[in-house]
Amino acid sequence: DGGITQSPKYLFRKEGQNVTLSCEQNLNHDAMYWYRQDPGQGLRLIYYSQIVNDFQKGDIAEGYSVSREKKESFPLTVTSAQKNPTAFYLCASSMRRGGPYEQYFGPGTRLTVT
Amino acid sequence: QQQVKQSPQSLIVQKGGISIINCAYENTAFDYFPWYQQFPGKGPALLIAIRPDVSEKKEGRFTISFNKSAKQFSLHIMDSQPGDSATYFCAAGPDNYGQNFVFGPGTRLSVLP
Repeated sequence: DGGITQSPKYLFRKEGQNVTLSCEQNLNHDAMYWYRQDPGQGLRLIYYSQIVNDFQKGDIAEGYSVSREKKESFPLTVTSAQKNPTAFYLCASSMRRGGPYEQYFGPGTRLTVT
Repeated sequence: QQQVKQSPQSLIVQKGGISIINCAYENTAFDYFPWYQQFPGKGPALLIAIRPDVSEKKEGRFTISFNKSAKQFSLHIMDSQPGDSATYFCAAGPDNYGQNFVFGPGTRLSVLP
């Protein structure tokens, strides 16, 4: 089955620790995205990548880092510098050529930091 | 920052009724408008999308109406069912790569049995 996988589904960390969220896609999409969703809120863009080895900051990049070494993978690291890391994190991907360009989302990772 | 406004924030509809969610965008360069459905604890799933060359698109019980001059579009859910209870997000963006979609804040729909 083609799709986007995120792991783990639930993640718990102590304050001050860095944590890495996994995102893998087998849709052969070039572009990948990370969003943060807080309870009852919309989607806020953290980082996005249009091509391997290149990525750009979104609206709320502070305290986060990413890498894009492979087309299929776009891991997100939540660093200790992120003041309010507890949230639901969503990874998405989209085509880059040929369209349509809407984004397809993974199932999400719920991160709780105490 | 380009915004997409969405209303209402929450909506309660009786089973069999019509649910209507409205969105408005600012950027006239936007030419692709998808809607997403999200159940609690799940990722958003693409529901239906429209381009501005048509004023309406229908897929089953879901219809998008588009008003290019007003820069508004809406989602209509006919014969609403309890299984439709979810959060709905509209989005807008250019229909080419290299640009990002802007998402509305979401509408929480509850369909009463």
